[in-house]
Amino acid sequence: VQLLQSGGGVLQRGGSLRLSCAASGFTFTNYPMTWVRQAPGKGLEWVSGISAGGGYTYYADSVKGRFTVSKDTSKNTLYLQMDSLRAEDTAIYYCTKGLPATHGPIGAFEIWGQGTVVTVSS
Amino acid sequence: SYVLTQPPSVSVAPGQTVSLTCGGHNIGTKSVHWYQQKPGQAPVLVIYDDNDRPSGITERFSGSNSGNTATLTISRVEAGDEADYYCQVWDSTGGHFVFGTGTEVAVL
Repeated sequence: VQLLQSGGGVLQRGGSLRLSCAASGFTFTNYPMTWVRQAPGKGLEWVSGISAGGGYTYYADSVKGRFTVSKDTSKNTLYLQMDSLRAEDTAIYYCTKGLPATHGPIGAFEIWGQGTVVTVSS
Repeated sequence: SYVLTQPPSVSVAPGQTVSLTCGGHNIGTKSVHWYQQKPGQAPVLVIYDDNDRPSGITERFSGSNSGNTATLTISRVEAGDEADYYCQVWDSTGGHFVFGTGTEVAVL
């Protein structure tokens, strides 16, 4: 089981970026996925989640309306489209494979990608 | 919004047992997950659904959850356990996931 991330970079405030997370070693359509970020020197912050089939999406208040999560099942790839970026979006972004849930729509974050750095300059 | 409170740091000697707490209102009614993060690395799930261990995680890690406090216990602590530990729940009221503030474990 592996999650391979790509798409990070440095960009200016107000810009857009799309992160990718290529999944392998498991049936992509059977598991929910999420994005988690970590600002420099800070703790973990959940960003977004998507159901196994892709029909339901969830967002943190801090990114709602600016970020869009999606799954391309033909490519076994998870995406995070980030628009109207702000300096406070600067962080390492991790994609994760979720477990089926006992409470809520997505269970624990079982597998994590290697992370990709997003830097937004003001 | 739902808040999870963890002590910022704890120190423990090798071979001893350490208990890391995660406080939240009625957290005992939620499923709590715990993650270990070593410097420069992605987090790793060590306990899910209060007290289940993922495949490959040592039995030295165990969890409990009741009332307003969830606890991650590390037995027979080793130098390799030195890391930050985060608890996490799903906040059904807010419709989002919440991470605790994290506890840094230092092995003396």
